[in-house]
Amino acid sequence: EIVLTQSPATLSLSPGDRATLSCRASQNIRTYLAWYQQKSGQAPRLLIYDASQRATGIPARFSGSGSGTDFTLTISSLEAEDFAVYYCQHRNNWPPRFTFGPGTKVDIK
Amino acid sequence: QVQLVESGGGLVKPGGSLRLSCAASGFTFSDYYMSWIRQAPGKGLEWISYISDTSLYTSYADSVKGRFTISRDNAKNSLYLQMDSLRAEDTAVFYCARGLVGDGYNIPFDYWGQGALVTVSS
Repeated sequence: EIVLTQSPATLSLSPGDRATLSCRASQNIRTYLAWYQQKSGQAPRLLIYDASQRATGIPARFSGSGSGTDFTLTISSLEAEDFAVYYCQHRNNWPPRFTFGPGTKVDIK
Repeated sequence: QVQLVESGGGLVKPGGSLRLSCAASGFTFSDYYMSWIRQAPGKGLEWISYISDTSLYTSYADSVKGRFTISRDNAKNSLYLQMDSLRAEDTAVFYCARGLVGDGYNIPFDYWGQGALVTVSS
């Protein structure tokens, strides 16, 4: 079973800062990784799929990279609405199973 | 516009049953696989079940296998989750979400419902 580890658990930054979030898989998952943003009291929102593909309507300041076991979500310049919890997620092709990481909270410094 | 609306949540006693529904609109429901994902209070996301576009394939997280059953009715644009033998640790907000797979791509969970709260308590 694939285990996803996210670091750091909390990232304290200011608006305009660059945010770098890490997700590590316990084994090679190629590029089968997605990133979600969740704000308090809301459903998650898909940001990135297949490690680097931006979902529809997602601003260009969000980018994803990585393959194999190490992945990164980068927010180039934090805006006020970006302070939230971010989850990485892996999908196993067969049988279809999905795993979420524990999340990284990006809060205001 | 794409909408997913969960219903059927509520308070149930341990050992009881509950059936969640998810009504889909604004897209061709039968083109998408669907999943249920839950979030316990103050905790992270946990995927619990998947169903393919035609209902041919289903899968479950170990934590709910044998107790929960996922199903769908493409004619009614609806997804369901039958939950039996509920436990206190099943208390969570339950989300339905859609995904799309095609030649060379698999886009997971691009739309989610607003969530339905299930509370298991005596």
